[in-house]
Amino acid sequence: DTAVSQTPKYLVTQMGNDKSIKCEQNLGHDTMYWYKQDSKKFLKIMFSYNNKELIINETVPNRFSPKSPDKAHLNLHINSLELGDSAVYFCASSLPDRTYGYTFGSGTRLTVV
Amino acid sequence: DQQVKQNSPSLSVQEGRISILNCDYTNSMFDYFLWYKKYPAEGPTFLISISSIKDKNEDGRFTVFLNKSAKHLSLHIVPSQPGDSAVYFCAASGEVRVSNYQLIWGAGTKLIIKP
Repeated sequence: DTAVSQTPKYLVTQMGNDKSIKCEQNLGHDTMYWYKQDSKKFLKIMFSYNNKELIINETVPNRFSPKSPDKAHLNLHINSLELGDSAVYFCASSLPDRTYGYTFGSGTRLTVV
Repeated sequence: DQQVKQNSPSLSVQEGRISILNCDYTNSMFDYFLWYKKYPAEGPTFLISISSIKDKNEDGRFTVFLNKSAKHLSLHIVPSQPGDSAVYFCAASGEVRVSNYQLIWGAGTKLIIKP
C-alpha cells in the first residue's frame, strides 16, 4: 500500500502543452511538498502546503500552479511547458514534527520535446 | 550559494568495510540534519537524523556524527552491504528565520558497494 503515490511516473510532451501531475498520500500527514530534481541532481523545493494552505512558494514561474483539494492531495499543473521544465518532480509529505523526515513519492520524470 | 555541500559525487567501498559519507554546511543556525537514501527511479527515503544538541546518533549499521564547530556531519555505514549502493543525500533545516523548517539539500553522493 503506497504511502505517497504520484502519477504519472513518466510524462513525455511537446513544448507549449499543459500537463498535470497528481499526488496523494495516505499517511494522514498535514504537510505536502513538490520538489524538482534538476539535471545536476539537486533537490529544490517548489511548493509546500499545510492543510490545503500554501506556506512555501519558492521562485517558480507562474506557469506552475499547485492545487490542494484536500490535505491528502497536492497536484501540480504546468502551463505552456518549456524544454527547461524537463526534470524529475517529487511529491512528499510530512508531519509537523520535522524529526520524522519526509516521505517521498517515486517521482515523475517529465520530458519536454 | 550552496548551504549544504557533499563534495564527493561518488564513493566506492568494498563489501564488509566501513562507508563514510561526508557533508558540510555553512549556516551555523541549522539545528536539524537528516540523511536520505535514494535508489534509481524511486523517491528518497529517510534514513537517519540528528539534532544539533547531539553529536552522535546510531541506528543499527548507520551512525551519524555531527561536528558543530566544523559545520560537518558524516554518515557511517558498517558493515557495508550491496543493498547500500544508492545515492545518499544530506539535508539540513532550521527554525522559521533560518529555513522556515524546510530542508536544504546537498547534491548527493553515489555510494557503490563492491562485492
